[in-house]
Amino acid sequence: DAGVIQSPRHEVTEMGQEVTLRCKPISGHDYLFWYRQTMMRGLELLIYFNNNVPIDDSGMPEDRFSAKMPNASFSTLKIQPSEPRDSAVYFCASSLGRDYAGNEQFFGPGTRLTVL
Amino acid sequence: DQQVKQNSPSLSVQEGRISILNCDYTNSMFDYFLWYKKYPAEGPTFLISISSIKDKNEDGRFTVFLNKSAKHLSLHIVPSQPGDSAVYFCAATFTSGTYKYIFGTGTRLKVLA
Repeated sequence: DAGVIQSPRHEVTEMGQEVTLRCKPISGHDYLFWYRQTMMRGLELLIYFNNNVPIDDSGMPEDRFSAKMPNASFSTLKIQPSEPRDSAVYFCASSLGRDYAGNEQFFGPGTRLTVL
Repeated sequence: DQQVKQNSPSLSVQEGRISILNCDYTNSMFDYFLWYKKYPAEGPTFLISISSIKDKNEDGRFTVFLNKSAKHLSLHIVPSQPGDSAVYFCAATFTSGTYKYIFGTGTRLKVLA
């Protein structure tokens, strides 16, 4: 299994530009999560989906952020317009159900976003 | 409001000695706790977990202790190895209701050879 795949691995853009981050979860996993990692706040959950439906988006910082999951094998996180304070590492994770006997979340390698 | 806190940003330990990483939480409704390990340029990977009905869980060199009255958990690594050098995140969640992990800010462990 290839694990969770994220693209791009690195993104450098200028303030005001639109940024789209992509994620392919592990096949068969029915939960998908988007996280942001910063030094000050650690790993923050932005949004999660269950069976392609957004369940909790309370962590999305503002309307500039949006996430979609058009099918079970693909999700996007979009920032429009981007700002320098959005610079962070963004992780996608997936899991199989929520049975706590071992169904932990599997993380992708992350996308390092730099907004100049 | 940081509900899960790791107050030590970094820790250095000699190879072979014990590493103790600490984590505090504020929400008494959390009933499941996890530790994840993260190497540079990689995503976090699951390490060990504990339910609130237990006070200890052991997996090889890794043991997690939970003190519910103090709202405190710790991860013990014995003996520490250079390959354990990584950032360790603790996380807390609920086994019912919303399925979300609340992570701490991480502790960078360096095991010196």
